[in-house]
Amino acid sequence: DTAVSQTPKYLVTQMGNDKSIKCEQNLGHDTMYWYKQDSKKFLKIMFSYNNKELIINETVPNRFSPKSPDKAHLNLHINSLELGDSAVYFCATLAGGHSTQYFGPGTRLLVL
Amino acid sequence: QQQVKQSPQSLIVQKGGISIINCAYENTAFDYFPWYQQFPGKGPALLIAIRPDVSEKKEGRFTISFNKSAKQFSLHIMDSQPGDSATYFCAASGGNTGGFKTIFGAGTRLFVKA
Repeated sequence: DTAVSQTPKYLVTQMGNDKSIKCEQNLGHDTMYWYKQDSKKFLKIMFSYNNKELIINETVPNRFSPKSPDKAHLNLHINSLELGDSAVYFCATLAGGHSTQYFGPGTRLLVL
Repeated sequence: QQQVKQSPQSLIVQKGGISIINCAYENTAFDYFPWYQQFPGKGPALLIAIRPDVSEKKEGRFTISFNKSAKQFSLHIMDSQPGDSATYFCAASGGNTGGFKTIFGAGTRLFVKA
């Protein structure tokens, strides 16, 4: 069983479209994150959720809207996609009282 | 400031050699310093981590050296192997549950020549 899974693995779409990325974890962790990794491999935090509540929002454009329907899921919806949104998006989890984050395999988004 | 500066950007080492990657942080509120390893097409995975109350931590061929006063830490990979070829990220973390935040360095692409 994959601890942190993401769908889809690859996403190719046109500028202006709206798309969603899904993340599911079976670790029972309380906190989930979205990270963006750009073409230079720079990894930057976007959001964190704790027990379905938004905790961290790192000045991400409001075209990006995370949603946590339950503790095991954190989805990312992106409106009006732009070329600069092309990146790999990683979901990650963190257990309460611990410091190690567990990353998903990533979703490779390409906006044409 | 919450920056974490990492160097070098890329590193080529002969098999059996020592790989050294350096990082510096600015915010003294950080209390956890992990190193993550990322292979192509995969997500980052924790390699080794240290807290600021110790100056060194060793796990197998991997050692973190930590200098709290200089706000610097480094990763040493002894007897580097081709299988170690990957991107390495240092990071600095801190905060309470939910607000726990990790700031990553820019990454070092390591290539170990056979």
